[in-house]
Amino acid sequence: GESVGLHLPTLSVQEGDNSIINCAYSNSASDYFIWYKQESGKGPQFIIDIRSNMDKRQGQRVTVLLNKTVKHLSLQIAATQPGDSAVYFCAENIGGQAGTALIFGKGTTLSVSS
Amino acid sequence: DADVTQTPRNRITKTGKRIMLECSQTKGHDRMYWYRQDPGLGLRLIYYSFDVKDINKGEISDGYSVSRQAQAKFSLSLESAIPNQTALYFCATSSAGRETQYFGPGTRLLVL
Repeated sequence: GESVGLHLPTLSVQEGDNSIINCAYSNSASDYFIWYKQESGKGPQFIIDIRSNMDKRQGQRVTVLLNKTVKHLSLQIAATQPGDSAVYFCAENIGGQAGTALIFGKGTTLSVSS
Repeated sequence: DADVTQTPRNRITKTGKRIMLECSQTKGHDRMYWYRQDPGLGLRLIYYSFDVKDINKGEISDGYSVSRQAQAKFSLSLESAIPNQTALYFCATSSAGRETQYFGPGTRLLVL
């Protein structure tokens, strides 16, 4: 079946390091991708998105890379801080009516130690 | 996100009881969604609504019903709760033509 998955369920880094969280998707028709951050006890928060006609997009301390050839999405966090500790989800929109077909991955837990 | 609120935040109920979870938004979005989150399974879509009175089933709608009687409100009901409905429930909203969804803080439900 078609699904969005993450390569690693957990990632541990030291404060100040750069973090890379990976996501593989299987639907070549997906045209939009989002990264969400979920802190303990809270709902998912939008971080950054990218459309399929782009291969890179940068935000504040975050960069999303899209490799459509191998159906791979990654989230890079520069100078990781303790406040970045959370579960990170990727989601893909597989087309159809916009906003209805977001498929979420299972999440990667990022732990940042001081 | 304070623009999307959910009540209650926590609920304990017994098997067979009917319960309702409420979602309200001040973002002015016309689309609203209910998701369920279980450990290791990510977010799964239960129901979604494009507008008032518009209701669509998601991936796991069995055992649930919804009501959208106002643009800003979308309620989820469990007609007869069962223990495997114990989960974290999230409401989300989006604007027509935009894929980004914005989530509420969640309701933690325990069915005994």
